[in-house]
Amino acid sequence: GAVVSQHPSRVICKSGTSVKIECRSLDFQATTMFWYRQFPKQSLMLMATSNEGSKATYEQGVEKDKFLINHASLTLSTLTVTSAHPEDSSFYICSARARIGSTDTQYFGPGTRLTVL
Amino acid sequence: RKEVEQDPGPFNVPEGATVAFNCTYSNSASQSFFWYRQDCRKEPKLLMSVYSSGNEDGRFTAQLNRASQYISLLIRDSKLSDSATYLCAVGSSGGSYIPTFGRGTSLIVHP
Repeated sequence: GAVVSQHPSRVICKSGTSVKIECRSLDFQATTMFWYRQFPKQSLMLMATSNEGSKATYEQGVEKDKFLINHASLTLSTLTVTSAHPEDSSFYICSARARIGSTDTQYFGPGTRLTVL
Repeated sequence: RKEVEQDPGPFNVPEGATVAFNCTYSNSASQSFFWYRQDCRKEPKLLMSVYSSGNEDGRFTAQLNRASQYISLLIRDSKLSDSATYLCAVGSSGGSYIPTFGRGTSLIVHP
């Protein structure tokens, strides 16, 4: 299947700092990538849809000025958590949309575990 | 009603057992359906797509019931390594593929 990488895998930072997470599709081009957040024992929560060359579409309740998304190329999307606070500590997972045959399928990156002290 | 609902479980079964999970969805126009497996503190991995006619992959069988708006996953001859959380995902229609995930069903297979 398609491979999606995510970097870094784990971040520990101080409150008030900004953290940048990269998501790359390694063997395919992804016009659309998704960013999710998952708290312990909770479901995946879609934060935003990232479209190459255009602004991201944010889900209701997600602050676009706090979670900056840039989809600069067909293989790279970045999520920047600005002025992170302890409540932003979570598991952030990106995924990329790939078309296999006639079906659109999502493939996930390995996730980034963010801990804000 | 939530868009995609799953029984969180856990389903606690012995090795060798057959276990089935259901996932209901509210959007009757949904077009694509998937089962993912998520291990603890890991990302979801695609287990299988769900096709209208039903499909099988080894010990795993997925089915779609459009009339009742649910999909199912059947696991035969459960292995210890099948212990994980199983997420269903339902894709929206209209070409704007934005799948919605269920909360997941936890499966524990014990010796």
